[in-house]
Amino acid sequence: DIQLTQSPSFLSASVGDRVTITCRASQGISSYLAWYQQKPGKAPKLLIYAASTLQSGVPSRFSGSGSGTEFTLTISSLQPEDFATYYCQQLNSYFGGGTKVEIK
Amino acid sequence: EVQLVESGGGLVQPGGSLRLSCAASGFTFSSYWMSWVRQAPGKGLEWVANIKQDGSEKYYVDSVKGRFTISRDNAKNSLYLQMNSLRAEDTAVYYCARDRTYDSSGYYGMDVWGQGTTVNVSS
Repeated sequence: DIQLTQSPSFLSASVGDRVTITCRASQGISSYLAWYQQKPGKAPKLLIYAASTLQSGVPSRFSGSGSGTEFTLTISSLQPEDFATYYCQQLNSYFGGGTKVEIK
Repeated sequence: EVQLVESGGGLVQPGGSLRLSCAASGFTFSSYWMSWVRQAPGKGLEWVANIKQDGSEKYYVDSVKGRFTISRDNAKNSLYLQMNSLRAEDTAVYYCARDRTYDSSGYYGMDVWGQGTTVNVSS
């Protein structure tokens, strides 16, 4: 099975900061990667699919890049509503361990 | 409105069984792969199982193989998860999700999620 490793697992940032989260796959997965945001007590929300395509309705401050084994999710200017946990997911199965973004 | 609504969760003893349901509305259910994803208390997301549009292909995470069965009824716009031989480690919120699956361009992600139903396995 392909493993997804996210880093960092936790980050503390301020409103307006640029934030980058990395997801590494144990084997090449081309562009078969999606990113989700989850807030406490809520279902996950799809942000990015096919590694770099923004889901409809998601603010343009979110972007995704990468292919093969290394992927990044970037928030260009962190907003108060962005404090949440972020997950990568490969193909239509396994998720990464998550990255919790908290207020500094 | 595109919507998924899960039901069937509850408290069950170890070794017991439970059947989760997910009612879909607002889209052509039979056109999509569907998935179950769970989240144990304080933990991350874990994909559990998925099923092809016509039910001809089903896949499971290793930890539930032989115990859980995913199924669907396209006439009723419903997805199911039959869970047998439940263990304490199956305690989680279970979400159903619409899966847009993939093609040569990449993976399109799970774009519609239910609110979740809670399964608690405890004596």
